[in-house]
Amino acid sequence: AAGVIQSPRHLIKEKRETATLKCYPIPRHDTVYWYQQGPGQDPQFLISFYEKMQSDKGSIPDRFSAQQFSDYHSELNMSSLELGDSALYFCASSLNLPNSGNTIYFGEGSWLTVV
Amino acid sequence: KNEVEQSPQNLTAQEGEFITINCSYSVGISALHWLQQHPGGGIVSLFMLSSGKKKHGRLIATINIQEKHSSLHITASHPRDSAVYICAAFSSGTYKYIFGTGTRLKVLA
Repeated sequence: AAGVIQSPRHLIKEKRETATLKCYPIPRHDTVYWYQQGPGQDPQFLISFYEKMQSDKGSIPDRFSAQQFSDYHSELNMSSLELGDSALYFCASSLNLPNSGNTIYFGEGSWLTVV
Repeated sequence: KNEVEQSPQNLTAQEGEFITINCSYSVGISALHWLQQHPGGGIVSLFMLSSGKKKHGRLIATINIQEKHSSLHITASHPRDSAVYICAAFSSGTYKYIFGTGTRLKVLA
């Protein structure tokens, strides 16, 4: 069965550069979540989208932006990269907002290293 | 105080031992997930619970809504179970996942 696909899996960027991460949810899933996990830290919720509209916003820096496209894939754009942005970024998808009947599926994550 | 707390933070067990990881939360939730994160970062969703108990192979997860507590049990543990286990509570108030601090499990052969 198709899972949540993230690309690229690994990315190295220099400070002040821009990076774009992509997330392809499971087919027919309409909700995408983005999380950031720094080394040795808990995952932190960044932002979520439902039906191509932003549904919730967490601790996402102003330098970051994201959107969900008509095919439900999502892109996380990060500009003016800082060393502290080095982290694992993973996305998850679900059908509608999670409730007792729906589960959330995680991608394997994209490793961003800022040098 | 974290809204979702796990214990223990670190656990070392011998192969074959029965393992329990606990998760307590202080927010209202509509679902709780147990996740497994292997070295390298990939996350696998093991269970989603809103009540009762679920079993999958050697893994059992339980939740007590009244006590706001969930447990993940691993029977006949194996070195391949070595990973970080994270509980994530889906807050019914904010529609966000709140992650626990994780339990780092190491199973020795």
